[in-house]
Amino acid sequence: KAGVTQTPRYLIKTRGQQVTLSCSPISGHRSVSWYQQTPGQGLQFLFEYFSETQRNKGNFPGRFSGRQFSNSRSEMNVSTLELGDSALYLCASSPKNPTDTQYFGPGTRLTVL
Amino acid sequence: GENVEQHPSTLSVQEGDSAVIKCTYSDSASNYFPWYKQELGKRPQLIIDIRSNVGEKKDQRIAVTLNKTAKHFSLHITETQPEDSAVYFCAANSDSNYQLIWGAGTKLIIKP
Repeated sequence: KAGVTQTPRYLIKTRGQQVTLSCSPISGHRSVSWYQQTPGQGLQFLFEYFSETQRNKGNFPGRFSGRQFSNSRSEMNVSTLELGDSALYLCASSPKNPTDTQYFGPGTRLTVL
Repeated sequence: GENVEQHPSTLSVQEGDSAVIKCTYSDSASNYFPWYKQELGKRPQLIIDIRSNVGEKKDQRIAVTLNKTAKHFSLHITETQPEDSAVYFCAANSDSNYQLIWGAGTKLIIKP
């Protein structure tokens, strides 16, 4: 099976712009979680989607949003970018249940100038 | 809500020695405890996990132990090698929580 893929891998934006990141889960996986990871920091949970429904959301401002499509692919959007949004954005897919193993994609490295 | 604390934040061991990383959790309903390894510049990868119906699980040089009464679980790496150098994350979850709760990570350094 192909692993989790994320596009683009690298992105440079300027403050005030918006960005959309994409995540394609492992075939058959219906749950997608998104995380933000800054240098030296852990994994900060953004949100989780299952069957096009957001089941949980982390403590991030409303500028961060996401969605999931019927084929389980997911996108996250960040509007009005700030310097502090520079980070590695990781998505992880799992079959269905909260206690299923999560498999990570390679991440999208976002730099905000 | 659930909280996971991980210690130490940095661990330096001599090559060939053992390394132990500990995590404590707060939600007694948690029943799934994975450990992930993240090498520099790479994605986190699952190395071992344990569920609440077992107390210990081994996979070659890696083992995880779970003490549900004390609400803590530990990662044990024996005969450490240079390729074990990485950041290790623990996490916890329950069947009703759609969010893995993560520890802050431990940077493991293997000294030659």
